[in-house]
Amino acid sequence: SAVISQKPSRDICQRGTSLTIQCQVDSQVTMMFWYRQQPGQSLTLIATANQGSEATYESGFVIDKFPISRPNLTFSTLTVSNMSPEDSSIYLCSAGGRLIGEQYFGPGTRLTVT
Amino acid sequence: AQKITQTQPGMFVQEKEAVTLDCTYDTSDQSYGLFWYKQPSSGEMIFLIYQGSYDEQNATEGRYSLNFQKARKSANLVISASQLGDSAMYFCAMSPKAAGNKLTFGGGTRVLVKP
Repeated sequence: SAVISQKPSRDICQRGTSLTIQCQVDSQVTMMFWYRQQPGQSLTLIATANQGSEATYESGFVIDKFPISRPNLTFSTLTVSNMSPEDSSIYLCSAGGRLIGEQYFGPGTRLTVT
Repeated sequence: AQKITQTQPGMFVQEKEAVTLDCTYDTSDQSYGLFWYKQPSSGEMIFLIYQGSYDEQNATEGRYSLNFQKARKSANLVISASQLGDSAMYFCAMSPKAAGNKLTFGGGTRVLVKP
């Protein structure tokens, strides 16, 4: 199985500021994914991060708000920009394991915007 | 586009009994994967089990089994011999194979195991 770590695990941020979340995988993976889980809700895909190309964003998510970097095959960052209280969520990164059907998640970053 | 439906928002189960969590899906893809995850109150997403659309046998992983009925587009999770530690949110998800495990999630089912 893939081991995925995220930093920070939680943060409390002021409105209007930005936070960058880091995701590290213990093995090389082609695609990494970023999800958002708003309070009491299910997970929604923000974007797919491919190494060497721009991220692919899902409907309702834009690069100016959620810029993503993917500098190599084991690391990605998600920035939540110009935050508002509506951005308070758990942000999770995900990557596949070596076998078909394996898809693992990092422990998540619990963000509170005040 | 894919859609996942979990009709049970919450359920109670007695410790040591089995529980079935419902999941139906809608997709036009012929090849896809179905996943179940457990999310305890800590917020982490724990991968439980996977079923490929062309897998002939239902997937099993320890106390977890997936009752896959392709014609009915259902992928129910069965947890046998429930334990107190099974109390959590459970999410069904699916990915079209071509999307490389880009997951669409259902709304989740909260399970509370009673001693």
